[in-house]
Amino acid sequence: AQSVSQHNHHVILSEAASLELGCNYSYGGTVNLFWYVQYPGQHLQLLLKYFSGDPLVKGIKGFEAEFIKSKFSFNLRKPSVQWSDTAEYFCAVRPSSNTGKLIFGQGTTLQVKP
Amino acid sequence: KAGVTQTPRYLIKTRGQQVTLSCSPISGHRSVSWYQQTPGQGLQFLFEYFSETQRNKGNFPGRFSGRQFSNSRSEMNVSTLELGDSALYLCASSPGQPGKETQYFGPGTRLLVL
Repeated sequence: AQSVSQHNHHVILSEAASLELGCNYSYGGTVNLFWYVQYPGQHLQLLLKYFSGDPLVKGIKGFEAEFIKSKFSFNLRKPSVQWSDTAEYFCAVRPSSNTGKLIFGQGTTLQVKP
Repeated sequence: KAGVTQTPRYLIKTRGQQVTLSCSPISGHRSVSWYQQTPGQGLQFLFEYFSETQRNKGNFPGRFSGRQFSNSRSEMNVSTLELGDSALYLCASSPGQPGKETQYFGPGTRLLVL
């Protein structure tokens, strides 16, 4: 069965620290990959996505992610976090032949201390 | 463009009752997917509708059902509510074309079953 694993459930960082959130998936075929963010009291928003091409993708608010096919990974990074990045982050995978049915990881809660 | 809208935003029901939730997709989007979000299970896919037909289905019991209308609006119904159905129910819409689909989420309907 397809699954997504996010390594860290709760991360606490100080402002200006660098961030890397791990995401691994299990699926044998071609996939589309996503990172979504849920700020407190707000709905899920797309941070970035990978469909094909350059495995390093850039998203909103200075976030980027790298797809490493051999490792089935799609880790999220940000060089310098801000207090406003406090949120829950979800990695999601979908077989590229599909349209619906995103498979989500359990989520990582990021707390940034000012 | 207006985003995905969901009604109602909050709902309280008692065990054994049924409930209907509504979702209006982004204008022009023909695919609507539903997800259940709980602290214990995270985000789980319920089903996807496209052109009034269910195209994908998750692993939920038959008490969970949905439909889509000709204007792409969708409803989901949960019959014989159980305490464990308390959750945030999210709707997401996308154009509906396989390949480079991005799902956009609504604010959700928070259901509390007493």
